Amino acid sequence: LAKTTQPISMDSYEGQEVNITCSHNNIATNDYITWYQQFPSQGPRFIIQGYKTKVTNEVASLFIPADRKSSTLSLPRVSLSDTAVYYCLVANTGGFKTIFGAGTRLFVKA
Amino acid sequence: EAQVTQNPRYLITVTGKKLTVTCSQNMNHEYMSWYRQDPGLGLRQIYYSMNVEVTDKGDVPEGYKVSRKEKRNFPLILESPSPNQTSLYFCASSGTSSSFGELFFGEGSRLTVL
Repeated sequence: LAKTTQPISMDSYEGQEVNITCSHNNIATNDYITWYQQFPSQGPRFIIQGYKTKVTNEVASLFIPADRKSSTLSLPRVSLSDTAVYYCLVANTGGFKTIFGAGTRLFVKA
Repeated sequence: EAQVTQNPRYLITVTGKKLTVTCSQNMNHEYMSWYRQDPGLGLRQIYYSMNVEVTDKGDVPEGYKVSRKEKRNFPLILESPSPNQTSLYFCASSGTSSSFGELFFGEGSRLTVL
């Protein structure tokens, strides 16, 4: 299973774009990359998922280079309510054993 | 409303007193999993279940038991709790109708073992 490494914390200001990178050097061919958001005292919530290249939805974009050894979650124009912990998860289709990293604590300032 | 429900949400108990944390989902999901969350360690998987009567160990299964007798329920059992099992526990589920890896989490159960 691929272990993930993320920055422990990041600070930003409202209206800025935030990019959080996750390293997963030993990702396997059948692994997908998924990002979650967690607020205090709540369960994590799915944000976005991808396998390669770029994926975009209404809240974020996910960039995955050709070698897939890293991925970048991009949050456009963050607001105070985006202050949360963001987790990168790499999971495979062969089974649902999952390994979350320690997460990145994003603090958005006014 | 689609949801994963855990009970109890908060529990304080003493060492050695058996307890069960229940988890139920109403989305007909095949996959269910338990995680514990500790400061600085993120989410660590305890056990998971691919379907009824199919369970397997995650990264930190010691001291825990699970069962999956019905598709909707996946209880976590602590036969003899110890203080190092004080933690925040999350149950999650996922189904073939979901994007792969899209886990739906419960609200968490905060357990304190004295």
